[in-house]
Amino acid sequence: EIVLTQSPATLSLSPGERATLSCRASQSVGIYVAWYQQKPGQAPRLLIFDASDRATGIPARFSGSGSGTDFTLTISSLEPEDFAVYYCHQRSIRPPAFGQGTRVE
Amino acid sequence: EVQLLDSGGGLVQPGGSLRLSCAASGFTFSSYAMSWVRQAPGKGLEWVSSISGRGVNANYADSVKGRFTITRDNSKSILFLQMDSLRTEDTAVYYCAKELRGDYVDWGRGTLVTVSS
Repeated sequence: EIVLTQSPATLSLSPGERATLSCRASQSVGIYVAWYQQKPGQAPRLLIFDASDRATGIPARFSGSGSGTDFTLTISSLEPEDFAVYYCHQRSIRPPAFGQGTRVE
Repeated sequence: EVQLLDSGGGLVQPGGSLRLSCAASGFTFSSYAMSWVRQAPGKGLEWVSSISGRGVNANYADSVKGRFTITRDNSKSILFLQMDSLRTEDTAVYYCAKELRGDYVDWGRGTLVTVSS
């Protein structure tokens, strides 16, 4: 079973700053990592799939990178609506698994 | 526009049963695998179960295997999750999600299941 470890647990930043979120897998998952954003009281929303492809309608300030065991979500310049919890997810090896989340505050 | 309307949550005693539903619209339901993902209060996301487009293949998390059953009615575009032998640790918001190659591209709003005596 794959374990995804996200760091940091909390990221304290201001609007306009750059956010860098990390996700490390316990074994190689290729490029099959996605990133989700969740705001309070809302369902998660897909941001990035296959490590670096933006989902439909996702702004260009969101970018993903990585392969194998190390993945990164970057928000180039934080907008007020970007303060949320972010989860990585792997679909390479069953069972699918989420990381524990990073809160951007 | 894709819409997923999950329902059926509520308060149930430990050992009890509940059936969740997810009514889908805005896409060809039978062409997509569907999943249930849950989130315990204040906690992260946990995959629960998935079912293939035609309903032939189903998979479960170890934590629910043997207690939960995922099914679908493609004629009515509805996804189900039958939950039996419920435990307090099953308390969570349950989301249905439309899959594309294993990624969850669309989500319902969630339905809260509370297991408590």
